[in-house]
Amino acid sequence: EAGVTQFPSHSVIEKGQTVTLRCDPISGHDNLYWYRRVMGKEIKFLLHFVKESKQDESGMPNNRFLAERTGGTYSTLKVQPAELEDSGVYFCASSQDIAGGRWRTGELFFGEGSRLTVL
Amino acid sequence: GQQLNQSPQSMFIQEGEDVSMNCTSSSIFNTWLWYKQDPGEGPVLLIALYKAGELTSNGRLTAQFGITRKDSFLNISASIPSDVGIYFCAGQSGGSQGNLIFGKGTKLSVKP
Repeated sequence: EAGVTQFPSHSVIEKGQTVTLRCDPISGHDNLYWYRRVMGKEIKFLLHFVKESKQDESGMPNNRFLAERTGGTYSTLKVQPAELEDSGVYFCASSQDIAGGRWRTGELFFGEGSRLTVL
Repeated sequence: GQQLNQSPQSMFIQEGEDVSMNCTSSSIFNTWLWYKQDPGEGPVLLIALYKAGELTSNGRLTAQFGITRKDSFLNISASIPSDVGIYFCAGQSGGSQGNLIFGKGTKLSVKP
């Protein structure tokens, strides 16, 4: 079974440009999350989708970040316009639905991350 | 906001040695988790703890959920070279599912 896949693995852009990151969750996982790790800091929660709906977007830093999950499958995270402080590794994770008690908090499956460098 | 203080930041040990790392917080958490990140990979869940006082093992790894619900430790016994990586603690205190608070990580290096 394929894991969580993210694209691109590394993106280098200039300040003011736009970048779109993509995440394909594990097939059948309704829950999809975006996290970010800025250099030297902790991994921080950005938002959580349940299918195509945003369940929790409390971690989104500002309105330059737009996340979508049309159709409840893959998700995109767009940064427009990018700023220097947006540099970091963006992780996507997915998990199964809680129905039937099969899912417990924390059993997230992470992708390899998309490294964003803003110059 | 809530923060997890993870220590140590890094460790350099000899193969075969035991390792201990911990996380503390001023806030109460309902769930404590330990993840490991290998270079170029995403974090992988090692151990999940759901009850205060819980002690759980996974092979050579043992983790405990502190009684006060404000701390957790992870021990690795008889370390081997493939234990190299960054270990993260994470907690959830009542936000939405999957809204985890992470520590800054402990970078482990093992000398063969």
